[in-house]
Amino acid sequence: EDQVTQSPEALRLQEGESSSLNCSYTVSGLRGLFWYRQDPGKGPEFLFTLYSAGEEKEKERLKATLTKKESFLHITAPKPEDSATYLCAVQAFAGAGSYQLTFGKGTKLSVIP
Amino acid sequence: NAGVTQTPKFQVLKTGQSMTLQCAQDMNHNSMYWYRQDPGMGLRLIYYSASEGTTDKGEVPNGYNVSRLNKREFSLRLESAAPSQTSVYFCATYSGLNTEAFFGQGTRLTVV
Repeated sequence: EDQVTQSPEALRLQEGESSSLNCSYTVSGLRGLFWYRQDPGKGPEFLFTLYSAGEEKEKERLKATLTKKESFLHITAPKPEDSATYLCAVQAFAGAGSYQLTFGKGTKLSVIP
Repeated sequence: NAGVTQTPKFQVLKTGQSMTLQCAQDMNHNSMYWYRQDPGMGLRLIYYSASEGTTDKGEVPNGYNVSRLNKREFSLRLESAAPSQTSVYFCATYSGLNTEAFFGQGTRLTVV
C-alpha cells in the first residue's frame, strides 16, 4: 500500500527564517511526486512535479528536491503570503491505464511578520 | 476557461437525505477523481474514473456512488447521508501520466 508521511504537521516561522518541509514515501512504481499548496477554503494548487532522485525544481522562494525515499520543500526567506498548507502526493499506476494520487496529511505553515 | 467547477459550494443535509455533488471540467482530460478532506486525515480518494465509461473504487468508497456522465462530468451521490460524511469534497482531473492534477474549489457538506 502506498504511503506518504509529511512532517512536521505544523510549522511557525518568523518572516525571513528559512526552513524545510519533509515528505517521505513508500510506493511501488513511483511515477511522480507532486507538491501542492492549499489556502483555507480553496482547492489544492499545483506547485511542482519531481520524477527522479536528484531532481530539483524552484519557484520564487520555494525549492523542491527528491531522493529515493523522500522529498523536501525548502522555503527561503519566507513571507507572510507563503502561509498555507503544503501537500505532498505520489502518483502510481493503478491498473487499466489509470493512475492514482496518494496524498500526505500536509504541513500547515504559518509565517509571522 | 473555468477549469474544474463543483456545485454546490455548500450544503447542509439531514441524516438519511440524499444528494448529488456535481463536477464538470473543460480541460478535455480523461481522468476524474473525487476526494474527501477531513481535519487530520488529508485528502482521501473516494472514487475515480480513468476514462469515460469506467469508474473504480478508491480508498473510502462506502456510502457513495458515482456516475461518469460524459467526458466532462463526474458526479458523486450520497444515497443516505450520515454524519460521518460531513467533509469537504474535492473533484480533480488530469490528463494522465506525468501530469499534474487540477482541483475544483470544493463542496463543504455538513450532515446533521
